[in-house]
Amino acid sequence: ELKVEQNPLFLSMQEGKNYTIYCNYSTTSDRLYWYRQDPGKSLESLFVLLSNGAVKQEGRLMASLDTKARLSTLHITAAVHDLSATYFCAVYTGNQFYFGTGTSLTVIP
Amino acid sequence: GAGVSQTPSNKVTEKGKYVELRCDPISGHTALYWYRQSLGQGPEFLIYFQGTGAADDSGLPNDRFFAVRPEGSVSTLKIQRTERGDSAMYLCASSLNDGREQYFGPGTRLTVT
Repeated sequence: ELKVEQNPLFLSMQEGKNYTIYCNYSTTSDRLYWYRQDPGKSLESLFVLLSNGAVKQEGRLMASLDTKARLSTLHITAAVHDLSATYFCAVYTGNQFYFGTGTSLTVIP
Repeated sequence: GAGVSQTPSNKVTEKGKYVELRCDPISGHTALYWYRQSLGQGPEFLIYFQGTGAADDSGLPNDRFFAVRPEGSVSTLKIQRTERGDSAMYLCASSLNDGREQYFGPGTRLTVT
């Protein structure tokens, strides 16, 4: 059974601090996606990583992919309150997107 | 341009009733996905359409669930004899082709009482 595991599941961090969210998956795939979801809302695409070593940055968020280690990271730099949300990674294989359980991030002023 | 739309946004129904959930994808997107998301969980794959055909329906939990996309655009997810365990957020997403970036609709929150 394909597994996509994120850690931590819950993250509370102070504004201005840095942190990394990890996404491990159990299948061969070179397509990894990160999404953001605000409470009661749908998913917003953040990053699409399509090859080993891919790195993408948008504002205070940076995502990377290591297909050999089957690991993606989402790094948060100098967190601000607006980043509070749930973050999901998803792996694409065999016509399906498999989502992780999500990381609920709370940034405290 | 218009994004993915879903109707209704909320649906409350009684146990045993039939419901239809509609998804209108982004124009020109050939791939369409349905997901179910329970509280505190990630989206769970239900079915994937490529054009008019269901390319992969392995995520449908049982034969009470069925989905169609007759003209390769709008899709309808149909649930018969609803059960309380069907209560969840149902999300639809479309993409230009399979495996590319998905764009999600706002979802339909289904509550079965």
